Amino acid sequence: DIVMTQSPDSLAVSLGERATINCKSSHTVLYSSNNKNYLAWYQQKPGQPPKLLIYWASTRESGVPDRFSGSGSGTDFTLTISSLQAEDVAVYYCQQYYSTPPRFTFGPGTKVDIK
Amino acid sequence: EVQLVESGGGLVQPGGSLRLSCAASGFTFTSYWMSWVRQAPGKGLEWVANIKQDGSERYYVDSVKGRFTISRDNAKNSLYLQMNSLRAEDTAVYHCARHYYESSAFAPFDYWGQGTLVAVSS
Repeated sequence: DIVMTQSPDSLAVSLGERATINCKSSHTVLYSSNNKNYLAWYQQKPGQPPKLLIYWASTRESGVPDRFSGSGSGTDFTLTISSLQAEDVAVYYCQQYYSTPPRFTFGPGTKVDIK
Repeated sequence: EVQLVESGGGLVQPGGSLRLSCAASGFTFTSYWMSWVRQAPGKGLEWVANIKQDGSERYYVDSVKGRFTISRDNAKNSLYLQMNSLRAEDTAVYHCARHYYESSAFAPFDYWGQGTLVAVSS
């Protein structure tokens, strides 16, 4: 199975400042035939199910604020919150949906707080 | 409006069984792969199992193989997870989730249920 790791485990950022979360996969999630990275990012707030933010590594889901952006390719990915807002306090997970058979795995999560 | 509503969780002794259900509405259930994802208390997300639209393909995380069975009843727009030989480490909130794209397994999960809590303890 593809193992996903994230760094840091947690971070505290001042309101309006940038937050950066890294995700690494043990195997490439770039499918060469369509040049797409099978990598998603989710946000989870306490007591709520996860919410899809980003898919194909950099495509923002409808309704997600443009302060959220995803980048990277192959095995190394980044989620950036350009200007942290109070409502962004949450745990963020990356997920690969590349593996065949479809046994998808999540990263361990990164907790984002306000400094 | 897409809705996924889980039920069937509860307290069960080690070695016991439970059957979780997920009632789907607001979309063409027969067009989508579906998954179960669990989250142990205070822990991260773990994908558990998924199933193709017609039930002909099913996949599991290694830790539940041979103990859990995912199934669906397309006539009832329902997804199920039969859990046998339960262990303490199966304690978690279990969410059902829809794969984003019609007909594709290889997609993120765009809709999630609120989850149902399974507690395995003597």
